[in-house]
Amino acid sequence: EPEVTQTPSHQVTQMGQEVILRCVPISNHLYFYWYRQILGQKVEFLVSFYNNEISEKSEIFDDQFSVERPDGSNFTLKIRSTKLEDSAMYFCAGNRQGPRETQYFGPGTRLLVL
Amino acid sequence: GESVGLHLPTLSVQEGDNSIINCAYSNSASDYFIWYKQESGKGPQFIIDIRSNMDKRQGQRVTVLLNKTVKHLSLQIAATQPGDSAVYFCAENFGIQGAQKLVFGQGTRLTINP
Repeated sequence: EPEVTQTPSHQVTQMGQEVILRCVPISNHLYFYWYRQILGQKVEFLVSFYNNEISEKSEIFDDQFSVERPDGSNFTLKIRSTKLEDSAMYFCAGNRQGPRETQYFGPGTRLLVL
Repeated sequence: GESVGLHLPTLSVQEGDNSIINCAYSNSASDYFIWYKQESGKGPQFIIDIRSNMDKRQGQRVTVLLNKTVKHLSLQIAATQPGDSAVYFCAENFGIQGAQKLVFGQGTRLTINP
């Protein structure tokens, strides 16, 4: 059964550094998403991406965040200048039909900003 | 400083008993709902979904009930097993074609006692 994969599984970085989180969605998926989960809290939507552009983004997804799908395979989330409060689990998700279809999540990347 | 996570509602049941997890959703216009299971250190895993034109949907050992009048969702797990121990999140789907996101509830931690 195909799965969403994410790399790295863990990332430790210094405040102010750039990080890139990578995701390989399921091959026939067309809609892609990033979510984050601060330790002990609920999962929060960051951004949705379809047809090579952002469909919707939350207030969390400010100018420090960007997403791209450069090669039709990887889907990346970049944080340009990390802050302490960016420490969280970051989940990639995807689906084929978009709205009103379940999203399939990857295992997550645990980001720790020191 | 140290961040404090939100306190999750908890439910403990004996192995073999049935469990019911409840969720209140926020948007009366939401028309698609999903239950996810999250084990420690992993991404949300799809359990079951329901659309707003239904009141009940059954899967293997799981049933979801939707009460649109009071904006309430429940997940029933029959004959619980140790592997059912996890945090369970309900999620509602917001949005229109190409611009949609999942909004997650707070989560309930289910513990199955042997």
